[in-house]
Amino acid sequence: KQEVTQIPAALSVPEGENLVLNCSFTDSAIYNLQWFRQDPGKGLTSLLLIQSSQREQTSGRLNASLDKSSGRSTLYIAASQPGDSATYLCAADNYGQNFVFGPGTRLSVLP
Amino acid sequence: NAGVTQTPKFQVLKTGQSMTLQCAQDMNHNSMYWYRQDPGMGLRLIYYSASEGTTDKGEVPNGYNVSRLNKREFSLRLESAAPSQTSVYFCASSERKLSPYEQYFGPGTRLTVT
Repeated sequence: KQEVTQIPAALSVPEGENLVLNCSFTDSAIYNLQWFRQDPGKGLTSLLLIQSSQREQTSGRLNASLDKSSGRSTLYIAASQPGDSATYLCAADNYGQNFVFGPGTRLSVLP
Repeated sequence: NAGVTQTPKFQVLKTGQSMTLQCAQDMNHNSMYWYRQDPGMGLRLIYYSASEGTTDKGEVPNGYNVSRLNKREFSLRLESAAPSQTSVYFCASSERKLSPYEQYFGPGTRLTVT
């Protein structure tokens, strides 16, 4: 059974810092790994999706990497801004199955 | 193009009452999902529908039923609500016939069972 964990559970950084969020999964036979952002009381917004054949994806200040052999994905946020404050979730998609979510990392970027 | 919509946004039920959560998507996706989100536990899959006319259990299906009414709509029913079903419920859709199966989420329904 796929299990997904995220470290740290919460993170507080000053504005302008670069930061890394970690996601680990137990079953390396994944098809995709997707990163989401969730603002308080809101739904999930897709940030990046990495297919199993890819090693990374970039969108603006965000870069997500995937290492299937080690069961890890990282989300790198460059030059963080207060507007980046949210909970970030990763989700692993197993072949023929569906997404398994991690518990999320709550990020606070202080002005 | 509204994406994924859910109704209602908020609901309070008493133990034993029943209700149906509605979900619709306008992206012509084949697959739809119902998740619940509880503090510290991430999202857990309740049921999913890979295509119109099919439904399958997810991780936490007990106490719920679903109906895939047509390609657009996927409803979740609580027959006899229990306090343990207090949660935020999210509907999602994806197109699994086309890589890479990206999921799109609705805004959620906050359900409280007293």
